[in-house]
Amino acid sequence: AAGVIQSPRHLIKEKRETATLKCYPIPRHDTVYWYQQGPGQDPQFLISFYEKMQSDKGSIPDRFSAQQFSDYHSELNMSSLELGDSALYFCASSLNNEQFFGPGTRLTVL
Amino acid sequence: EDKVVQSPLSLVVHEGDTVTLNCSYEVTNFRSLLWYKQEKKAPTFLFMLTSSGIEKKSGRLSSILDKKELFSILNITATQTGDSAVYLCAVEAYTGNQFYFGTGTSLTVIP
Repeated sequence: AAGVIQSPRHLIKEKRETATLKCYPIPRHDTVYWYQQGPGQDPQFLISFYEKMQSDKGSIPDRFSAQQFSDYHSELNMSSLELGDSALYFCASSLNNEQFFGPGTRLTVL
Repeated sequence: EDKVVQSPLSLVVHEGDTVTLNCSYEVTNFRSLLWYKQEKKAPTFLFMLTSSGIEKKSGRLSSILDKKELFSILNITATQTGDSAVYLCAVEAYTGNQFYFGTGTSLTVIP
């Protein structure tokens, strides 16, 4: 069965650069969630989208923005990257509240 | 194909019962297995297991890993209504630092 796809899998950026992470949900799933997991930390909820509209907002910095497109894929845009943004970024998709997690994108900011 | 399978998918128990959640995996270049508890939004980390046969314990929760048979169990004793949540199992692989998540076990504890 198709799973959640995230790209890229790894990303290395320098401070003050920008990054775009992509998430392709399971087909027919209408909700996408973004999480940030720092080293040794719990995943932190960033933001979610339902039917292409922002449905909930967590601890997402103002430097980050996200959207869900007409094909339901979502992109997390990160600007003015800081060292502390180095983390695993998980995307999850759902249809009826049950979340299916993607493999994550590991972002390293140098 | 790398995969993580959790069972059961859903479980309803009475307060005080003991439950065992299962996680089996087929992942190349296994690095670690992690258990999370997800109640509302973000999952909360419970355990990380890397070595076979060593039980990790935190209060009423415990977990153990069997790297030969490729599975882990999460035990919860004397369950409470606050234990109601989805319990996620994830395996981290060395290759590409990739995480493979199971679909979770939904636990409901009724008074």
